[in-house]
Amino acid sequence: KAGVTQTPRYLIKTRGQQVTLSCSPISGHRSVSWYQQTPGQGLQFLFEYFSETQRNKGNFPGRFSGRQFSNSRSEMNVSTLELGDSALYLCASSSLPVNTEAFFGQGTRLTVV
Amino acid sequence: QQQVKQSPQSLIVQKGGISIINCAYENTAFDYFPWYQQFPGKGPALLIAIRPDVSEKKEGRFTISFNKSAKQFSLHIMDSQPGDSATYFCAARSRGSQGNLIFGKGTKLSVKP
Repeated sequence: KAGVTQTPRYLIKTRGQQVTLSCSPISGHRSVSWYQQTPGQGLQFLFEYFSETQRNKGNFPGRFSGRQFSNSRSEMNVSTLELGDSALYLCASSSLPVNTEAFFGQGTRLTVV
Repeated sequence: QQQVKQSPQSLIVQKGGISIINCAYENTAFDYFPWYQQFPGKGPALLIAIRPDVSEKKEGRFTISFNKSAKQFSLHIMDSQPGDSATYFCAARSRGSQGNLIFGKGTKLSVKP
């Protein structure tokens, strides 16, 4: 069974640009969550989608947005990139949104210059 | 506000020794406590998880001990091996609709041969 797939693995963007990251969950999983990982703040929750609906959102500015498609694949978008957005962005999939095991992808390393 | 406090920040253990990582929480709504292992350049991998209705769970060399009254839980790695060298994260998730994982800051474990 294939794991969580995130693309691209690495990205370099310039301040002010926007970026879209993609996540394909484990087959049959309908819940996708996104996390930002930085050395200083650790792993922080961005948002969670289940059946194309955002169920929960973390404490991030509106520049961070996401969506989920009918096949459970998810994308997150960051607009007007700032240097501080440089991080590893991780996607996790679960079969159901609450109290089930969450499996992470390898992440997308975003560098903003 | 850090809802899950993890210690120590780093840990050095000799091969064959026991590695112990501790976490504490305040939110009594948490009812699912997983541990993740992360190698450099990889996403976190689910190691073992526990719910508060049991005090201990063992899987191979990995054991979670859970103390509900003290609101603490810990990961014990028996017979630690150099291949266990990684960063370990504890996490917690609350029941109900707010199902995102709250992570500790991580413990970097080095197992010396």
